[in-house]
Amino acid sequence: AQSVTQPDIHITVSEGASLELRCNYSYGATPYLFWYVQSPGQGLQLLLKYFSGDTLVQGIKGFEAEFKRSQSSFNLRKPSVHWSDAAEYFCAVGARGATNKLIFGTGTLLAVQP
Amino acid sequence: AAGVIQSPRHLIKEKRETATLKCYPIPRHDTVYWYQQGPGQDPQFLISFYEKMQSDKGSIPDRFSAQQFSDYHSELNMSSLELGDSALYFCASSLKRDEQFFGPGTRLTVL
Repeated sequence: AQSVTQPDIHITVSEGASLELRCNYSYGATPYLFWYVQSPGQGLQLLLKYFSGDTLVQGIKGFEAEFKRSQSSFNLRKPSVHWSDAAEYFCAVGARGATNKLIFGTGTLLAVQP
Repeated sequence: AAGVIQSPRHLIKEKRETATLKCYPIPRHDTVYWYQQGPGQDPQFLISFYEKMQSDKGSIPDRFSAQQFSDYHSELNMSSLELGDSALYFCASSLKRDEQFFGPGTRLTVL
């Protein structure tokens, strides 16, 4: 069955500290992987995506993610967190084609303390 | 750049009423997706349309129906509303079933 696991429900980091949000997936075919960010009551903004090629993907707002096929992981990283990064982060998996619905993880809520 | 438009942004209904949510995709996008996000939940796929035909179906209740019109906009019709239908409903659009771009969502509250 297709699924996405985000093991950390809630993470708190200090401003300026590094961040890594974990994402593991289970998908029968070669997945397309995404990270979205959602501020309270807001829509989903795409941070970055992996379709193929270089396994280290750069996104917006200084985020990057690394696809590791052997570990079925797509962890999101940022070297220095800003207070404005406080939000909920969703990892998602999908596929191009007739059945390309996105399957989301349960999300990780990031709090940033001064 | 033009984005996905959803209307209304907020909707309050009573139990057993009906609701219609509208989605206007990015111009030239031919695929529309609907997702439901309950309070504190992750978004769940409901249904999608490609070139005005239903292309995939997820956990959409029988009380809900949707369609995509000739101008590619889509409507999600919800009948016999229940308290549990209170959620944020997202529409996303894509070109040729590629990367999905999400709208701001419609927040439905059922009282």
